[in-house]
Amino acid sequence: DTGVSQDPRHKITKRGQNVTFRCDPISEHNRLYWYRQTLGQGPEFLTYFQNEAQLEKSRLLSDRFSAERPKGSFSTLEIQRTEQGDSAMYLCASSLPRTGNLQTNGYTFGSGTRLTVV
Amino acid sequence: DQQVKQNSPSLSVQEGRISILNCDYTNSMFDYFLWYKKYPAEGPTFLISISSIKDKNEDGRFTVFLNKSAKHLSLHIVPSQPGDSAVYFCAARDSGNTPLVFGKGTRLSVIA
Repeated sequence: DTGVSQDPRHKITKRGQNVTFRCDPISEHNRLYWYRQTLGQGPEFLTYFQNEAQLEKSRLLSDRFSAERPKGSFSTLEIQRTEQGDSAMYLCASSLPRTGNLQTNGYTFGSGTRLTVV
Repeated sequence: DQQVKQNSPSLSVQEGRISILNCDYTNSMFDYFLWYKKYPAEGPTFLISISSIKDKNEDGRFTVFLNKSAKHLSLHIVPSQPGDSAVYFCAARDSGNTPLVFGKGTRLSVIA
C-alpha cells in the first residue's frame, strides 16, 4: 500500500460543468476525509466517512457538492455546476479511529486534486 | 471563527539556526495537536504531535512545546536546513470524533 491516492492530479473545467474526483485511502484506514485548500489558507474540512457512512458535513459543502464512499473503500467527490469560486486544491486523507489517549500520527493525506474553473 | 491561528504568514531563517513557528488556539476542548509540513503540489505530511497531557515532545531536530494556560504551541527546528523550507500547518482536535482543524500555515524559508 503506497498511501492515499487521488485522481486526477489536475482538472481544468469550464464554469457550469460537473467534475468528479476520486480518492483511494490506505486500505486499513476506515476513516476518510475531504478537505479543500485555497491560496493562503489552511486545509478546510468538507466531509468525512467512517466506512461507508458519511458522518459529518461542513457548511462549506453546498448542495452542489456530493461525496460518496459506496463500499467503505474509495470515495468520490462530485461538484455540479462548477463556479470559479470552486477553484482550489481538494485534499483527501485517511486515518484509523482515535482510540483513547494513544498518540497517533493523525491523517495521511494524498497529493490532492487541483481544480481550476475557467 | 478561526479556532487555530498562525499569525506569521512567513518566516526566514539562516541555515543552522533555530526556526520557531507559533500557533495559538481558542477552543479549550482541543486536547491533541499536530504539525504538518507541505511542499508545493503535494499533500501535507505529518511531522510531530503532542497530547495535552504533555508540555513537550521531541523527535530529532523537531520539538513541539505546549502551553495550555496560554493556549499556545510552538514548533522548534534546530538546526534548520534548506530542505525544511516548506509551509507548516498547525492542527488540533478534541477528544471526540471531530475532524482536525488547521491553521492558515506559516511559510518557512531556510537560507543557505
